[in-house]
Amino acid sequence: DIQMTQSPSTLSASVGDRVTITCRASQSINTWLAWYQQKPGKAPKLLIYDASNLESGVPLRFRGSGSGTQFTLTISSLQPDDFATYYCQHYHSYSRTFGQGTKVEIK
Amino acid sequence: EVQLVESGGVVVQPGGSLRLSCAASGFTFHDYAMHWVRQAPGKGLEWVSLISWDGTSTYYADSVKGRFTISRDNSKNSLYLQMNSLRGEDTAFYYCAKVGAARSSWSHFAYWGQGTLVTVSS
Repeated sequence: DIQMTQSPSTLSASVGDRVTITCRASQSINTWLAWYQQKPGKAPKLLIYDASNLESGVPLRFRGSGSGTQFTLTISSLQPDDFATYYCQHYHSYSRTFGQGTKVEIK
Repeated sequence: EVQLVESGGVVVQPGGSLRLSCAASGFTFHDYAMHWVRQAPGKGLEWVSLISWDGTSTYYADSVKGRFTISRDNSKNSLYLQMNSLRGEDTAFYYCAKVGAARSSWSHFAYWGQGTLVTVSS
């Protein structure tokens, strides 16, 4: 199975900061990668698919990049609504492994 | 508007069985592969199972293989997860999810339900 490793596990940042989350796959997954945002008590929400495509309705401050085994999610200017946990997930094979998550906290 | 509504989560004893349901609306259900994903309280997301749009192909995480069965009834726009031989480590919120691309199993999760809580405890 493909393993997904996210870093960091926790990130403390202030409103207006540029934030970068990294996701590494244990083998090449081309661009078969999605990013999700989850807030406490809520279901995950799709942000980015195919590594860099912004889901409809998602603010432009979110950007995904990468291919192969290295991927990043960047939030260009952190907003109060962005404090949440973020997960990457591959869909290169039927076993859709998620990263362990990155919690973005208020500094 | 796409809606996915899970139901069936309860408290069940170890070794027991349970069937979860996911009622879908707002899209052509029979054109989309569907997944179950779970999340233990305070933990990360774990993919559980996939069923193809036509129901002919199913896949499972190793942690549930042989105990859980995914199925769908396209005439009722419904997805199911039969859970047998339940263990404490199966305690989690269970989400159903719809893929983004029609008639493709190789796609991201575009929509998620609100989840239903399964607690395995004596």
